[in-house]
Amino acid sequence: KAGVTQTPRYLIKTRGQQVTLSCSPISGHRSVSWYQQTPGQGLQFLFEYFSETQRNKGNFPGRFSGRQFSNSRSEMNVSTLELGDSALYLCASSLDFEQYFGPGTRLTVT
Amino acid sequence: AQSVTQLGSHVSVSEGALVLLRCNYSSSVPPYLFWYVQYPNQGLQLLLKYTSAATLVKGINGFEAEFKKSETSFHLTKPSAHMSDAAEYFCAVGLKGNTPLVFGKGTRLSVIA
Repeated sequence: KAGVTQTPRYLIKTRGQQVTLSCSPISGHRSVSWYQQTPGQGLQFLFEYFSETQRNKGNFPGRFSGRQFSNSRSEMNVSTLELGDSALYLCASSLDFEQYFGPGTRLTVT
Repeated sequence: AQSVTQLGSHVSVSEGALVLLRCNYSSSVPPYLFWYVQYPNQGLQLLLKYTSAATLVKGINGFEAEFKKSETSFHLTKPSAHMSDAAEYFCAVGLKGNTPLVFGKGTRLSVIA
């Protein structure tokens, strides 16, 4: 079974721009979660989608948003990028409580 | 709310020595507990999980962890370290009912030849 895939793997953007990251979960998994990983803050939960509905949300500003499609693929969007948004963004899919992570998208904001 | 504390941001061991990575959790209800490993430029890989069955849990790559409710701990061990074990390790706690996992800050394991 194919694992979680994320595209793109690397991205460089400038302040003020917006970005969209994509995540394809493991086949059959309906839950997709997004995390931001930085050296200073560690892994922080952004949000979780289940069957196209946001089920949980972390403590991030409204510039961070996401959605899930009927095939369970998910996207997250960050608008008006700030330097502090530079991070590794990880997507995880799950069938039950066990989460399987993708390789991440490394976003650099200059 | 649940929380996780990983003692030691960096642990260094010699090849062949015992690996012990510490994790303490806080939870008002019986938790699920996980250990993940992250290699450079990669995502997190599940090493093992505790889900209220056996308290001694065996995972991949020779790792195991023991759930100790009285100590609210879930320490990760491996009898003999290998160079390939060098990575970042994360402990996480979750609850029943589809709540998000809460991760510790991580412990970087270095293995010295």
